[in-house]
Amino acid sequence: GAGVSQSPRYKVAKRGQDVALRCDPISGHVSLFWYQQALGQGPEFLTYFQNEAQLDKSGLPSDRFFAERPEGSVSTLKIQRTQQEDSAVYLCASSLTAFDTGELFFGEGSRLTVL
Amino acid sequence: DAKTTQPNSMESNEEEPVHLPCNHSTISGTDYIHWYRQLPSQGPEYVIHGLTSNVNNRMASLAIAEDRKSSTLILHRATLRDAAVYYCILRDQGGKLIFGQGTELSVKP
Repeated sequence: GAGVSQSPRYKVAKRGQDVALRCDPISGHVSLFWYQQALGQGPEFLTYFQNEAQLDKSGLPSDRFFAERPEGSVSTLKIQRTQQEDSAVYLCASSLTAFDTGELFFGEGSRLTVL
Repeated sequence: DAKTTQPNSMESNEEEPVHLPCNHSTISGTDYIHWYRQLPSQGPEYVIHGLTSNVNNRMASLAIAEDRKSSTLILHRATLRDAAVYYCILRDQGGKLIFGQGTELSVKP
């Protein structure tokens, strides 16, 4: 597709379940970012990939959060043993090169609700 | 990461110009000034960015102060579809975007 695609768009999980959220960036984009957006707040940075290398994971809130991008294209954000405070919209963004200063392209997000 | 300060909310009338201010007094020489907007239930959308000179595109204009410590996003004729949260962000080369709270713009018909 032409843009960043995320799936599922909506996910409801019971507390303690594991979830996996997928991001398909724009084809050929080197950089990939994950953000978490709680209700009424601005997006907060989670982690950054340059191709398959995870260069920054400083925003991951706990060791229950894990992200991967094994072939440098599709990325998966995994949350283990979900808690209610994990309820949020998870946004993925990509950009063309590693050193560009321009536009990040965002997906529509995956809304996670933990009951 | 350098921070930005924006008003929490602003109101505009339809078809009138809107000036959205942003202060970034700790900006460094390599920081680009980015603006994104987010409509309800959507991901952020790029609006415009610049380094030192004023910039224009089909969506908006960006006016950057000479000392780069502040900038203004200008929507020339607001429409109802421009109602959104507007984020002013500083981005270093290749770096991540650090979002603040943004300015919630409402547009009255």
